[in-house]
Amino acid sequence: EAGVTQSPTHLIKTRGQQATLRCSPISGHTSVYWYQQALGLGLQFLLWYDEGEERNRGNFPPRFSGRQFPNYSSELNVNALELEDSALYLCASSLRLSGANVLTFGAGSRLTVL
Amino acid sequence: DAKTTQPNSMESNEEEPVHLPCNHSTISGTDYIHWYRQLPSQGPEYVIHGLTSNVNNRMASLAIAEDRKSSTLILHRATLRDAAVYYCILYSGNTPLVFGKGTRLSVIA
Repeated sequence: EAGVTQSPTHLIKTRGQQATLRCSPISGHTSVYWYQQALGLGLQFLLWYDEGEERNRGNFPPRFSGRQFPNYSSELNVNALELEDSALYLCASSLRLSGANVLTFGAGSRLTVL
Repeated sequence: DAKTTQPNSMESNEEEPVHLPCNHSTISGTDYIHWYRQLPSQGPEYVIHGLTSNVNNRMASLAIAEDRKSSTLILHRATLRDAAVYYCILYSGNTPLVFGKGTRLSVIA
């Protein structure tokens, strides 16, 4: 079974540009989560999508946005990039809305903003 | 959100058991206790979870106190590959999985 796949693996952008990161969940998983991990810092929750709808949003500015497609894949868009957006962006997927859910994480996309 | 308290760091000798504690005194009835770990330069990895009873899997064991206000992740024989940050998280499925600072486990050869 294929795991959670993220693309691109690495992305280099300059300040003010836009970045788009993509995530393909495990087959059958309907929930997709996005997290940001800046260097040396903890995992910060960004966005949660389930069945195509945004379920929850972390404490991030509106220039962080995303969507989930009918096939449950997802993309994260970051507009007007700032230097502090440089981080590892992790995507995770899970099967259904239950406390017994297990999240499976991808390897991440590393965004560098110059 | 119900919170957990973990030691910042722990150290273990290779091939010895490791007990990683977690306090969660405000746990609610619908909260599962989840453990994830993050190895260097990788995404988090699921370890184990439980609700009320102790749980075992191929990676670890989870011992849950009778009042559910604390739990312990047990690695039966630590290896160098177990060096990671271990996160204890309360999760009901209605809110996102929120990671705290976790416990950084160092394994000494």
